[in-house]
Amino acid sequence: DTEVTQTPKHLVMGMTNKKSLKCEQHMGHRAMYWYKQKAKKPPELMFVYSYEKLSINESVPSRFSPECPNSSLLNLHLHALQPEDSALYLCASSQDQTGRVDGYTFGSGTRLTVV
Amino acid sequence: EDKVVQSPLSLVVHEGDTVTLNCSYEVTNFRSLLWYKQEKKAPTFLFMLTSSGIEKKSGRLSSILDKKELFSILNITATQTGDSAVYLCALMRSGTDKLIFGTGTRLQVFP
Repeated sequence: DTEVTQTPKHLVMGMTNKKSLKCEQHMGHRAMYWYKQKAKKPPELMFVYSYEKLSINESVPSRFSPECPNSSLLNLHLHALQPEDSALYLCASSQDQTGRVDGYTFGSGTRLTVV
Repeated sequence: EDKVVQSPLSLVVHEGDTVTLNCSYEVTNFRSLLWYKQEKKAPTFLFMLTSSGIEKKSGRLSSILDKKELFSILNITATQTGDSAVYLCALMRSGTDKLIFGTGTRLQVFP
């Protein structure tokens, strides 16, 4: 299995809703990431988990809450989002903290719309 | 401040043409440079370059890194309509997990 699987593929949520994005990989990668990508812009890093511990938080608002239940799973919990949070949310994984061997593998993303 | 600059921003060619995409960078503690192709959703990994002057090749795509002049190029020969995508260049520093992306080059290949 050489894939990063993200669910759901699309999500529409209201500003008062609570939802979660899920990401799963079975490549044995030890680092997992959340990126946010707005239209016609490159991906921007949000969080990094290394060996199931949060190692980087790029000053992301607290309405985004990451969780890494085990080395294969990464969640992003969403609460009280704003319309400007609408974007493509990408999960990625890599071999280790320095992303050796084959670089990063990205999932297909969750397209989030906040209404 | 780390910087990744891609050029051109967009490119329109006909099938069969050869294209060269450029990526220049400024970074402290360079570790590697990665190229991705992004169509509708996930960026698809193309190449990872860590050593200068070594060409990575996969079919019609090839890439080379010049660590002295701080740039990389991505070549696509005999372009096809399926090559239409945004091509992203990203930088990784030593000791960090973060990818720093350029703004991308949007390539459109017409029949």
